[in-house]
Amino acid sequence: QVTLRESGPALVKPTQTLKLTCTFSGFSLSTSGMCVSWIRQPPGKALEWLARIDWDDDKFYSTSLETRLTISKDTSRNQVVLTMSNMDPVDTATYFCARVGRDYSSSSGYSYYMDVWGKGTTVTVSS
Amino acid sequence: EIVLTQSPGTLSLSPGERATLSCRTSQSVSSNYLAWYQQKPGQAPRLLIYGASSRATGIPDRFSGSGSGTDFTLTISRLEREDFAVYYCQQYGSSPLFIFGPGTKVDIK
Repeated sequence: QVTLRESGPALVKPTQTLKLTCTFSGFSLSTSGMCVSWIRQPPGKALEWLARIDWDDDKFYSTSLETRLTISKDTSRNQVVLTMSNMDPVDTATYFCARVGRDYSSSSGYSYYMDVWGKGTTVTVSS
Repeated sequence: EIVLTQSPGTLSLSPGERATLSCRTSQSVSSNYLAWYQQKPGQAPRLLIYGASSRATGIPDRFSGSGSGTDFTLTISRLEREDFAVYYCQQYGSSPLFIFGPGTKVDIK
């Protein structure tokens, strides 16, 4: 059974750096094809993808946030860490991590989607 | 950058009725790159459909996806009470890697 759990501070101050940890079980990020993403959702708003890290340590970031984001993995501990610098009140949101599944098509190659999600952790940015 | 538009914003229906949700992309995309999620209040999203029409593990067959090019549809053949939720489409692309639509809320009439 695949599970993911997010952890981190519930409250951060403006300009601080947020560090979130995703601890997972039921799969290994050292297995070829495995990936983990972070997604966030401000209160009452839509989902926003943030970052993805792959089994081979490839990393991908949201174009609008990439200067503030860093994603990393600790394969031995089954963890993925996301840091976001220079936090602002508009970054107040629920942050989710999710395993990324993939599907292959001969016509279009691999596509990716989030197939198992953690429950999320709520982060408030306020002084 | 591709933009996803979902319509309607809110769909008010009764249990047993058919729900048809639309997701339009601003540029043609491979149908393999389109997914749908369901989210209930206070919960994480749940994958329903990937590759535009493939049901994820454990998803009932009353959920179906279709479409190609710029127009995609999620259909719920007969609404059950647990289906009242917000539904998001998601496109996998090059930059950014994943884009979500604004969502369609299906509520009880």
